Amino acid sequence: GDSVTQMEGPVTLSEEAFLTINCTYTATGYPSLFWYVQYPGEGLQLLLKATKADDKGSNKGFEATYRKETTSFHLEKGSVQVSDSAVYFCALSYGNQFYFGTGTSLTVIP
Amino acid sequence: GAVVSQHPSWVICKSGTSVKIECRSLDFQATTMFWYRQFPKQSLMLMATSNEGSKATYEQGVEKDKFLINHASLTLSTLTVTSAHPEDSSFYICSARTDSSPYYEQYFGPGTRLTVT
Repeated sequence: GDSVTQMEGPVTLSEEAFLTINCTYTATGYPSLFWYVQYPGEGLQLLLKATKADDKGSNKGFEATYRKETTSFHLEKGSVQVSDSAVYFCALSYGNQFYFGTGTSLTVIP
Repeated sequence: GAVVSQHPSWVICKSGTSVKIECRSLDFQATTMFWYRQFPKQSLMLMATSNEGSKATYEQGVEKDKFLINHASLTLSTLTVTSAHPEDSSFYICSARTDSSPYYEQYFGPGTRLTVT
């Protein structure tokens, strides 16, 4: 069945470090791919999305490219800030049905 | 932006009792609401989808008599865990969307931590 696998955390980085959170997926068709972020005490928020192969989603300095050949959607940011500390979820979707990864906790220290 | 609230944010109840969790869309009308469950270190699992004024659609393996979902208005959905047991302890998250927005635009609540003792 369809599923998403993302790297386990927690991840701890120093401010201005480079971030990569790996995400791979298994799907029978051509899903849309998403990254959601959950800040402490808040609901999940859509961070970025890509709806077809080779699309690059970007927002707030974060980027992810929909790679059909490697079934991946890795999240990257060139220089993280303390305010980026949160839990990040990779997800895929067909219509209303979402499949989420387990979430990766990121802590950025000054 | 669209805001979804949940109440309570955490609740402790005794085994055998029932507990109700509310999910509200504060500044938009939610034609569809979703209920998810998350176990520690696991992904969010969709439990059910509800449309305002109609019965909820439950995912396979979810007991509809145990997890009662009501979506009585365009701004409120409730999840009632009946005769709760310790294995029902989990993090419950709701989300909401409107028909006028893209299908992937679901707005999530902050979640409710349920502990059954």
